[in-house]
Amino acid sequence: GAVVSQHPSWVICKSGTSVKIECRSLDFQATTMFWYRQFPKQSLMLMATSNEGSKATYEQGVEKDKFLINHASLTLSTLTVTSAHPEDSSFYICSASRQGKNQPQHFGDGTRLSIL
Amino acid sequence: AQRVTQPEKLLSVFKGAPVELKCNYSYSGSPELFWYVQYSRQRLQLLLRHISRESIKGFTADLNKGETSFHLKKPFAQEEDSAMYYCALSGLLADKLIFGTGTRLQVFP
Repeated sequence: GAVVSQHPSWVICKSGTSVKIECRSLDFQATTMFWYRQFPKQSLMLMATSNEGSKATYEQGVEKDKFLINHASLTLSTLTVTSAHPEDSSFYICSASRQGKNQPQHFGDGTRLSIL
Repeated sequence: AQRVTQPEKLLSVFKGAPVELKCNYSYSGSPELFWYVQYSRQRLQLLLRHISRESIKGFTADLNKGETSFHLKKPFAQEEDSAMYYCALSGLLADKLIFGTGTRLQVFP
């Protein structure tokens, strides 16, 4: 199988704090990880593509200083929402894929972030 | 512009009825098309992809380049098929995915 674990699954915090979300590939090496955001009843919107050992590639309109992504190893990528505000409340989902052409993405369970 | 369109937000059918979830795309090139499914309280998972030409859980999808469509079909729906279905595309490098807005399939007994 190809299991992706995301932690935490749910976090509530005060406005102004920073929140770190972890995405781990448990049984495979993920050279590429993706971070998505999903608003209620809407589709997944890609925020950034994270490649191990290099800087993440952010999609248009996503603030790189707001959403810090680190992919330090082949099994772990982290998304840090810095100085979070209520408008950052959302469902964040990561996915990971193996190295190679036409490798499918395997998704985590997602993290529900609520900023008070 | 790269875009995936799923025109139906909700599709309700009775058990045993045929199902077709529509997906149209816009892409300058030759994309790879996918269907992902999300069952209640579960993660998003790959259902099928057009290059595999497989039938998974009785579902099939044919890429029609002329109509730029990749509709998902099943001849006889089952209650356990009730879920959220997302159509997605990527470039030939199979890197980032562009998702449609999803269609919720409800199969009634």
